[in-house]
This record gives sequence, C-alpha cells and structure tokens, in this order.
Amino acid sequence: EVQLVQSGAEVKKPGESLKISCKTSGYSFTDYWIGWVRQMPGKGLEWMGIIYPGDSDTRYSPSFQGQVTFSADKSISTAYLQWNSLKASDSAIYYCTKESPEGSRSFDPWGQGTLVTVSS
Amino acid sequence: DVVLTQSPLSLPVALGQPASISCRSSQSLVYSDGNTYLNWFQQRPGQSPRRLIYKVSHRDSGVPDRFSGSGSGTDFTLKISRVEAEDVGVYYCMQGTYWYTFGQGTRLEIK
Repeated sequence: EVQLVQSGAEVKKPGESLKISCKTSGYSFTDYWIGWVRQMPGKGLEWMGIIYPGDSDTRYSPSFQGQVTFSADKSISTAYLQWNSLKASDSAIYYCTKESPEGSRSFDPWGQGTLVTVSS
Repeated sequence: DVVLTQSPLSLPVALGQPASISCRSSQSLVYSDGNTYLNWFQQRPGQSPRRLIYKVSHRDSGVPDRFSGSGSGTDFTLKISRVEAEDVGVYYCMQGTYWYTFGQGTRLEIK
C-alpha cells in the first residue's frame, strides 16, 4: 500500500527556519514525482511545485519560486519542504502527494498534511 | 496561466438527489500527446484531498460508481448520481496540462 506520512504540526516565529517531511512507503520513491500543495486557513488548494527524487529535478510554481525549497533523501524515501525565513503568511496546511499513475500528470494519494503556524 | 472556474461554488443537495459541478478552463486542456489532464478531487471536512477522477473520466479505485466525470476541451463536469451523506465536502477540479492549477472549489452540503 502506498503511504505518505507527514511530520507533525509546527509553531514558529517569523524569521525562523523550518523543514517539514513527507515519508513515503509502498512504492519506488525514485520513480515518481512528489508534489507539494498549500492550503491556507479556510481557503482552497494551491500548487507549490514538484520534485523528482530520482535526480532531484525540482520545479516551482511562480508564486513559490525563491520562497521555499524542495529536497529528497533517497536513502530514507523522504521528501522535504523547507523555509529559510518564515512569514506569518506562511501559516497553512501543507500536503505532499505522489504522481499516480506514472506519467499521468496527476497526483494521489496525499499525506495527512502538516499544519504550520507562524506567529510572534 | 490557465484559470479553472468552477460553478456553482456552493451546492446544497437533498440526499438521494443528483448533483453536478462544472469546471471551465481558460484554455483547451488537450495536451500535445492527445490526452486531457483534468482531475477531480474531494476534500471531506478535516481530511486530506482524495482524487476521484483523472484524465477527465477515469475513476480511481475504490471510488463509488455514482461519481462520474465527463467533458472535453475547456468544459468539464463531475456528476454524482445520488448524493449520500458521506459526499459532503469541497470538490476541486485540477488541470495538469499546463503546469498544475486548481479550481476554486465547490462546497457540497446536504439540503
């Protein structure tokens, strides 16, 4: 069974750094794109970008370019989303999701989400 | 950028009645390989999104057959033949032809 298990909720102050994780299992981690999606409180879904763990090819939506960094550790089948300097407006739920089926330009299943709260 | 416009944004439906959600794209979603990469997701309250339909009409495993997707080019529809209580939530269309974008979401509630 394919599973994506995300790290727990975080509470941070503006200006702090953060790295959240998405641990995968049940498939070949290096063969499928991983996507990241933001959902701000009470709002819809926003596509942040994708990473291909096989070669770390990374692509960002324009709104998120330069604001976040994706990475992946093949040895532990885990993808990461990182901020160097958080802002209050980064407060949201962040989901990871896996390309499926291969080459479908679509994504499922999804992780359970990581709630990030940024407040002074 | 491709913009997906869903309607209605709010959809009250009585149990057992049909429901229909429209998703219109600002550009044709036919990709150069001939496929149309239009998906539908369901997000139940407090849960992660779950894909229902990919490539316009391919139903995901485990998705009840009361859900169906149709359409072509720029106009797409998600239909629920008979709404059940577990269908309450927000439904999103998403395109994967030109990068990835979501519609605004349609909130389905029981009337």
